[in-house]
Amino acid sequence: ETGVTQSPTHLIKTRGQQVTLRCSSQSGHNTVSWYQQALGQGPQFIFQYYREEENGRGNFPPRFSGLQFPNYSSELNVNALELDDSALYLCASSPGTPNEQFFGPGTRLTVL
Amino acid sequence: DAKTTQPTSMDCAEGRAANLPCNHSTISGNEYVYWYRQIHSQGPQYIIHGLKNNETNEMASLIITEDRKSSTLILPHATLRDTAVYYCIVRVPYTDKLIFGTGTRLQVFP
Repeated sequence: ETGVTQSPTHLIKTRGQQVTLRCSSQSGHNTVSWYQQALGQGPQFIFQYYREEENGRGNFPPRFSGLQFPNYSSELNVNALELDDSALYLCASSPGTPNEQFFGPGTRLTVL
Repeated sequence: DAKTTQPTSMDCAEGRAANLPCNHSTISGNEYVYWYRQIHSQGPQYIIHGLKNNETNEMASLIITEDRKSSTLILPHATLRDTAVYYCIVRVPYTDKLIFGTGTRLQVFP
């Protein structure tokens, strides 16, 4: 059974650019959540997708958007990057509540 | 959303039990308590969760007080590989939204 994978591992962008991060869910998992983890902080919930529909959103501006595909893989898009967007972005999948979430290794985004 | 309070850091000798406390005094009746840990630069790893009753699995035990306002994660025989940040989380009902705090940094020493 393949776990949750994320790509790329690391990414460097400049302020104002756009970025797309990708996540491949664990087999059989129809729910995916995205989190942002700043250095020294706990992960912060961005949003969640269930069967291709957004199913909950945290306190993040609209320039953070996402997609979930029929195969349950997912993308996180961030427009107009700001310096404070520099963080570890984590994707987590689950087969549905109240089951555990399985996290990927994350994508480290640096905005210069 | 219920919030959790954990000590910033703890130490534990290898082979001894590590008892990690968590306060969640505003928890609602249908909110689960979850524990995850995060080893440096890796994604969080699920440990255990519970609603009212104490729970045990191959990794740890979870003790939840009767009033559900606090809980304790117990690692019965800590090893050096258990050194990590441990997060106590209250999960929002009917969603997979996890609200992380800053966690407890557990250092296991030889």
